[in-house]
Amino acid sequence: EAGVTQFPSHSVIEKGQTVTLRCDPISGHDNLYWYRRVMGKEIKFLLHFVKESKQDESGMPNNRFLAERTGGTYSTLKVQPAELEDSGVYFCASSQWTGPGYEQYFGPGTRLTVT
Amino acid sequence: QKEVEQDPGPLSVPEGAIVSLNCTYSNSAFQYFMWYRQYSRKGPELLMYTYSSGNKEDGRFTAQVDKSSKYISLFIRDSQPSDSATYLCAMSANSGYSTLTFGKGTMLLVSP
Repeated sequence: EAGVTQFPSHSVIEKGQTVTLRCDPISGHDNLYWYRRVMGKEIKFLLHFVKESKQDESGMPNNRFLAERTGGTYSTLKVQPAELEDSGVYFCASSQWTGPGYEQYFGPGTRLTVT
Repeated sequence: QKEVEQDPGPLSVPEGAIVSLNCTYSNSAFQYFMWYRQYSRKGPELLMYTYSSGNKEDGRFTAQVDKSSKYISLFIRDSQPSDSATYLCAMSANSGYSTLTFGKGTMLLVSP
């Protein structure tokens, strides 16, 4: 079974440009999470989808970030316009609701560099 | 005060050593405690999971949680060069839909 995949693996853009990150969760996983790790900091939660609905978007830094999950399958995270402080590694994770002992499976991340 | 504190290391040990990694936290609502291992350029993968206080053992790995002290530990026995990675503690208040709060991660280097 394929794991969580993310595309692209690395993106370099200039300040002010737009970038769209994609995440394909494990098939059948209703829960999809986005996290971000800024250099020197811990991994931080951005938002959580249950199927196509946003369950929690309290971690989204500002309205330059837009996440979608059409049809409850893959998800995209768009940054528009990108700023220097948006640089970091963006992780996607998915899980299936199983109660205690659930596991979030992480993708390899997209490394975003804004110059 | 950060919710989760973790020494970033690096921690260098010789092969065969016992490794102790730990995190402290401030949020008493945390009930689920996890250790993730992350190799370079890869995503975190779940290594150990513990609910509430107590110990859990899995092969060479032992996870301990002391909720009274808000302190969690991961012990690795007979460490191997393949254990070289960054170890991240993570915790959540509820299972299922709950989000994870991570420590910064400790880089472990096991030399042959």
